[in-house]
Amino acid sequence: SQQGEEDPQALSIQEGENATMNCSYKTSINNLQWYRQNSGRGLVHLILIRSNEREKHSGRLRVTLDTSKKSSSLLITASRAADTASYFCATAFPQGGSEKLVFGKGTKLTVNP
Amino acid sequence: GAGVSQSPSNKVTEKGKDVELRCDPISGHTALYWYRQSLGQGLEFLIYFQGNSAPDKSGLPSDRFSAERTGGSVSTLTIQRTQQEDSAVYLCASSFNNQVRGGNEQFFGPGTRLTVL
Repeated sequence: SQQGEEDPQALSIQEGENATMNCSYKTSINNLQWYRQNSGRGLVHLILIRSNEREKHSGRLRVTLDTSKKSSSLLITASRAADTASYFCATAFPQGGSEKLVFGKGTKLTVNP
Repeated sequence: GAGVSQSPSNKVTEKGKDVELRCDPISGHTALYWYRQSLGQGLEFLIYFQGNSAPDKSGLPSDRFSAERTGGSVSTLTIQRTQQEDSAVYLCASSFNNQVRGGNEQFFGPGTRLTVL
């Protein structure tokens, strides 16, 4: 399977702490994306990192990609209660001349006020 | 509209009935995806459409599931003879251009929660 696997499955922290979530995958990818989901409904795109990039920042988010280890991490700094959500990594790989995303099962983050 | 819309937001049906779920993608997006998410699980890919190309149906779980995209815009996902295991949230997403290497983010609709009694 080319599915990304997030680790941990659940994470509970206090407001102000940093949260780190990891994602591992199995095959070569075009890019890796992180999404956030509130209350089991639609997902919101957070950040995309291409296979030739190693690190990317967006506000309080920092994503790293290690293609030799086939892994990525999402760091949320100075967490807030509003960051409580499920976070999914999605690996994009070529298929039939285009690109397909495969999602992992997610990390459920709880930020306690 | 500004985003992807889906209807209905909730659907309760009886086992054996057929259901149709609708997705309106963002205008101009050439790629459209359907996913299924069971409670507490990740997204399961079902089908995707890219422009006028033949759809990738590799994720459809059985021949009871079908989808079409009319005029390169609106899509309907049809489930025939629904079963209890079909109960899930069905999510639709669209993106601008899926054929560009380097990636395109997908924009998700709010989903349809299907409950089969």
